[in-house]
Formats: sequence, C-alpha cells, structure tokens
Amino acid sequence: DTEVTQTPKHLVMGMTNKKSLKCEQHMGHRAMYWYKQKAKKPPELMFVYSYEKLSINESVPSRFSPECPNSSLLNLHLHALQPEDSALYLCASSQRIDLNYGYTFGSGTRLTVV
Amino acid sequence: GNSVTQMEGPVTLSEEAFLTINCTYTATGYPSLFWYVQYPGEGLQLLLKATKADDKGSNKGFEATYRKETTSFHLEKGSVQVSDSAVYFCALCKNSGGSNYKLTFGKGTLLTVNP
Repeated sequence: DTEVTQTPKHLVMGMTNKKSLKCEQHMGHRAMYWYKQKAKKPPELMFVYSYEKLSINESVPSRFSPECPNSSLLNLHLHALQPEDSALYLCASSQRIDLNYGYTFGSGTRLTVV
Repeated sequence: GNSVTQMEGPVTLSEEAFLTINCTYTATGYPSLFWYVQYPGEGLQLLLKATKADDKGSNKGFEATYRKETTSFHLEKGSVQVSDSAVYFCALCKNSGGSNYKLTFGKGTLLTVNP
C-alpha cells in the first residue's frame, strides 16, 4: 500500500459545527503532516507529527486541533471555523521527519465553511 | 531561509509542443528537489525527484536535472498531451533547524495543453 487516504473528500460545515478530518497510511511512515491549500496557492504547512508526537505547529489557530492516535492515523478536529478557513486540507506522510526523501500526499478534503 | 522560485504561469501550449518550466532554489548545502503535479480537484502527486547534484529525475516523459552550479531544477517534456494539463509545483526538502526536514514549495505553474 503506497497511498495516503483522506476522508471525507468533501465537507460542508457551519461555523458552530464540530467535525473531523481523517488521514490514514499503511506505509510504515513515522512522520505525518497537515497542510492547508487555498485556491491557486501552494500548500501551507500546519502541523507535523513525528512518532505520534506533535513536532511542529505553525502557529495555527486553536480552532484546528490535530490528533495522532497511532502510527497510521492522523485526525484534524475542527470547531468554530470561519468562512476564510474554507480550503483544501491535505495530509501527507514521510518515512521520518529527519530524512529528505519527500512526502506522499493524500487527495485532500475540500472544506467549505458556511 | 530556503526558497523556491518557479516561472509565473499560466503556460498554454498546443499538444505535442515542448515544455519547459523553470525552477531555481535558494538553500544552503544539498537539498533534495521535487516536482509535484496537481490535477484539477485533486491532491498533489509526486512527479519526479533528485536527491543529489547532477541526478536526473524522470517519470511519464518528464525530466529534470539537479544543477548545483545554477541552483536549478527545470522541468521538461518533449511532447505534451492534453492530459498533462495541471498545476506543477517545484519543491525542495532541507533541514529547517535541528533534525527537522521541511518541504518548501514554489508558487506553482498552471499548464494548459490544447488539442
């Protein structure tokens, strides 16, 4: 299995809702990442997990809450989002955080906040 | 800090034309270099990579050579197809402090290939 699987593919949520994005990989990668991508822009790093521990938080607002329950799963919990948070949320993984072999990306969750 | 500069798009070509998308980088030491492709409505797919100077990455008819002397990693394809229409991102992976490697993207180049 050489894929990163993200669910759901599309999500529409209200500003008072609580929802979660899910990411799964079975490649034995020990580093996992959340990126946010706005239209016609490159992805922006949000969080990095290394061996299930949060390693990097790129000053992301607390309405985004990541969680890594085990080495294969990464969640992003969403609460009280704003319309400007509408974007494509990409999950990625790599063998380890201290290797420069690049990342494998999922196909993303397209989030719309209404 | 590390940065990637790629040519501004959009690029519009006819089918079977030659493609070049320029990419240059700024980084100390020896980063790994990548081209990612994003088809409409999808996530990023790794197209090719090179991990050391003079390496040539290739995939699906696309090629790029890691040129340390010019700090470049230009993407080329001899004959593009309509199905190559996508956004192409050049990226580097380099130590960002401590033992953490970070992926830094260029702004992306939109390629449209017409029949």
